[in-house]
Amino acid sequence: AAGVIQSPRHLIKEKRETATLKCYPIPRHDTVYWYQQGPGQDPQFLISFYEKMQSDKGSIPDRFSAQQFSDYHSELNMSSLELGDSALYFCASSDSTGGSGQPQHFGDGTRLSIL
Amino acid sequence: AQSVTQLGSHVSVSEGALVLLRCNYSSSVPPYLFWYVQYPNQGLQLLLKYTSAATLVKGINGFEAEFKKSETSFHLTKPSAHMSDAAEYFCAVSVRTDKLIFGTGTRLQVFP
Repeated sequence: AAGVIQSPRHLIKEKRETATLKCYPIPRHDTVYWYQQGPGQDPQFLISFYEKMQSDKGSIPDRFSAQQFSDYHSELNMSSLELGDSALYFCASSDSTGGSGQPQHFGDGTRLSIL
Repeated sequence: AQSVTQLGSHVSVSEGALVLLRCNYSSSVPPYLFWYVQYPNQGLQLLLKYTSAATLVKGINGFEAEFKKSETSFHLTKPSAHMSDAAEYFCAVSVRTDKLIFGTGTRLQVFP
């Protein structure tokens, strides 16, 4: 079965640079979520989109922005990168047609390292 | 606000022994509860979910969890541990907006 695809798997940037992370949800999933997992930490919710509209926002810095496109893929744009942004970034998708509480299916993540 | 507490950041068991990973939740409304497993350098894989249909939930790889409202718990169990079960396990809660709030995780070690 198709899974959530994230690219790139690894990304190395320097401070103050920008980065773009991409997420391709499972086909026919209408909701995309982004999470940040710092070293040894639990994943923290950043932002979500339902049918290309932002549906919820968590602890996402103002330097970050995200969007969901017409083909349902999503991109997380990160600017003025800081050392503290080094983390694993996960995308997850779900199918909301079954109502609330649908399980989220996660990609393998993008490991972002800031030098 | 919702929250999840996982008791024990590390749990060690012998192969073949019972696995018990503890999770307590706090929620002002009926929650949806999930257990995810994370292997090194991989994403989170759904083990099982509770969405009010049945209090005893069976998941993949022989894991199950029981929802106990009176104890606000959703502990994960497996009768017999296997070496391949060694991983990080996260309990998570969601309510209306569906964003997941995770516990701090429990690292399971399995010794031969």
